[in-house]
Amino acid sequence: AQSVAQPEDQVNVAEGNPLTVKCTYSVSGNPYLFWYVQYPNRGLQFLLKYITGDNLVKGSYGFEAEFNKSQTSFHLKKPSALVSDSALYFCAVRAPSGGSYIPTFGRGTSLIVHP
Amino acid sequence: NAGVTQTPKFQVLKTGQSMTLQCAQDMNHEYMSWYRQDPGMGLRLIHYSVGAGITDQGEVPNGYNVSRSTTEDFPLRLLSAAPSQTSVYFCASSYSAGGLETQYFGPGTRLLVL
Repeated sequence: AQSVAQPEDQVNVAEGNPLTVKCTYSVSGNPYLFWYVQYPNRGLQFLLKYITGDNLVKGSYGFEAEFNKSQTSFHLKKPSALVSDSALYFCAVRAPSGGSYIPTFGRGTSLIVHP
Repeated sequence: NAGVTQTPKFQVLKTGQSMTLQCAQDMNHEYMSWYRQDPGMGLRLIHYSVGAGITDQGEVPNGYNVSRSTTEDFPLRLLSAAPSQTSVYFCASSYSAGGLETQYFGPGTRLLVL
């Protein structure tokens, strides 16, 4: 069975500082990994994905994520946080195509960027 | 182009009542899905459809029915509402089931079951 862990319910960072939101996963085979962001009272918006290739993936709004196969991690990062980055962030994993289409989402991490 | 729309935005039900949550998309997407979001639990897939006339169960299908008579619409029916179904429900669509990255989410329906 596939699973995703987001070990931090909340991450606090000062504006201008780098931020990291952690995600670890478990899945059979090579994973498809995703990050989504959810602003208050809105649906989820896609940020970035890792399917194959370069371990460092760049996405929307200046975010990036690093795939680490040995540590089964896919942490979300941004070099300089903005107050407007404050939102709920979800990591998701899915097994490679050919199997179930069911993705597994993490519980979410609330990112709070202080001015 | 309205994207993914959901109605109603908010609904209060009594235990045992039934209702239908509406979802529509105007992007000609083949793949549509319903999730529920509960505090501290992320999103869980209820049902999904890979095309008109084809539906399948997700992670938490019990108590819910779906149908897909057209490409555009994917309603979610609560047969007999229970307090455990209090949640925020999101509909999503994408070009293909394999294309998670192209999944577009609706604004959500908040459901309270008393």
